Amino acid sequence: AQTVTQSQPEMSVQEAETVTLSCTYDTSESDYYLFWYKQPPSRQMILVIRQEAYKQQNATENRFSVNFQKAAKSFSLKISDSQLGDAAMYFCAYRSGVNAGGTSYGKLTFGQGTILTVHP
Amino acid sequence: EAQVTQNPRYLITVTGKKLTVTCSQNMNHEYMSWYRQDPGLGLRQIYYSMNVEVTDKGDVPEGYKVSRKEKRNFPLILESPSPNQTSLYFCASSLRRGLSPLHFGNGTRLTVT
Repeated sequence: AQTVTQSQPEMSVQEAETVTLSCTYDTSESDYYLFWYKQPPSRQMILVIRQEAYKQQNATENRFSVNFQKAAKSFSLKISDSQLGDAAMYFCAYRSGVNAGGTSYGKLTFGQGTILTVHP
Repeated sequence: EAQVTQNPRYLITVTGKKLTVTCSQNMNHEYMSWYRQDPGLGLRQIYYSMNVEVTDKGDVPEGYKVSRKEKRNFPLILESPSPNQTSLYFCASSLRRGLSPLHFGNGTRLTVT
């Protein structure tokens, strides 16, 4: 079974600065998808960014970008020019790309989460 | 508006009193799933459904039931709730394509006393 580890329970950053949240995962598959979700205090789950494992190029979405290191099984999230509205819990998630008899397709396996605080 | 609607938002109940949390999506998604969120554990999958009448256990299915009689609805049933089921619950749906993200409901905060 795949596992996702976020080793930083909490992180903090000054407004306008850059912060990187780490995520590692364990898998024997070569085809998979990775996601970062944001959960603000409203507890809504919001998709931040996503990456296909077979794509070498790192995904970017405005101020959010990832550093995808497939060999190291690492998928870190970089937030540039941090804003107060970025304060939230961030979850890294893994989805298998292999339809193993239909039993695992679609499932996202989540990490434990990282609470990000943004200081003005 | 495309959305996953989950109700109720908050629920307080007593041990053993059956309850149902409803979930409905209007995006014609084949895949639906229930997760529970607990501090330090992230989100863990309870049950999922690949399509109508097709459901299967996730990682933590004990004490829960689901049904998928219609494509849009996927209720979560706790036949005899216990205090260890106190948690934040999320319903989610997606297309059956790898990069298709999960769309989440707004969550149900359940307290079992």
